[in-house]
Amino acid sequence: GAVVSQHPSRVICKSGTSVKIECRSLDFQATTMFWYRQFPKQSLMLMATSNEGSKATYEQGVEKDKFLINHASLTLSTLTVTSAHPEDSSFYICSARDRLFNTGELFFGEGSRLTVL
Amino acid sequence: DQQVKQNSPSLSVQEGRISILNCDYTNSMFDYFLWYKKYPAEGPTFLISISSIKDKNEDGRFTVFLNKSAKHLSLHIVPSQPGDSAVYFCAASVSGSARQLTFGSGTQLTVLP
Repeated sequence: GAVVSQHPSRVICKSGTSVKIECRSLDFQATTMFWYRQFPKQSLMLMATSNEGSKATYEQGVEKDKFLINHASLTLSTLTVTSAHPEDSSFYICSARDRLFNTGELFFGEGSRLTVL
Repeated sequence: DQQVKQNSPSLSVQEGRISILNCDYTNSMFDYFLWYKKYPAEGPTFLISISSIKDKNEDGRFTVFLNKSAKHLSLHIVPSQPGDSAVYFCAASVSGSARQLTFGSGTQLTVLP
């Protein structure tokens, strides 16, 4: 089946630094990727929709300057958490849909655990 | 306002028995529903989906039922296996919305050997 890979799976950083998380579709092309954040024992909250070649669409309440998204190619989207603070510590998950198949199925990455000290 | 709700945060079932996970939604525009399974520290894995034109979809041990009038769907796992222990999320989307999904809060299923 389709595979989406995230890197890194775990990252620990100091407060004030920036962290980049990559999301790659390995065997398909995705014009749209989605970034989610999950707090412990809570649902996946959609943060933004990443569109290849154009600006990302952010959900209400998500700071664009805080969470920079770049969808530079049909197989790669990046999420950069800028000037990270401890409250940014969370599990970040990306998902992608194969551009050739208009189904509801999204393929998810393995997730990235961010811990800000 | 939670548009997709999973009111049971946890469920324990004996191995071999049926697991029934429930999900309710409020947005009548939703017309496509999916179930995902998630292990700790991993991304969700797609299990099964159903379109609003159907009321049942079956795939092996997994069956999803949709009751549009009640805005309710359920996932049945028969027979349950210990490897099914995970968090199950239901999700819903609206046609033409680039398939953005709205997720429920998840139900932790534990299948006891």
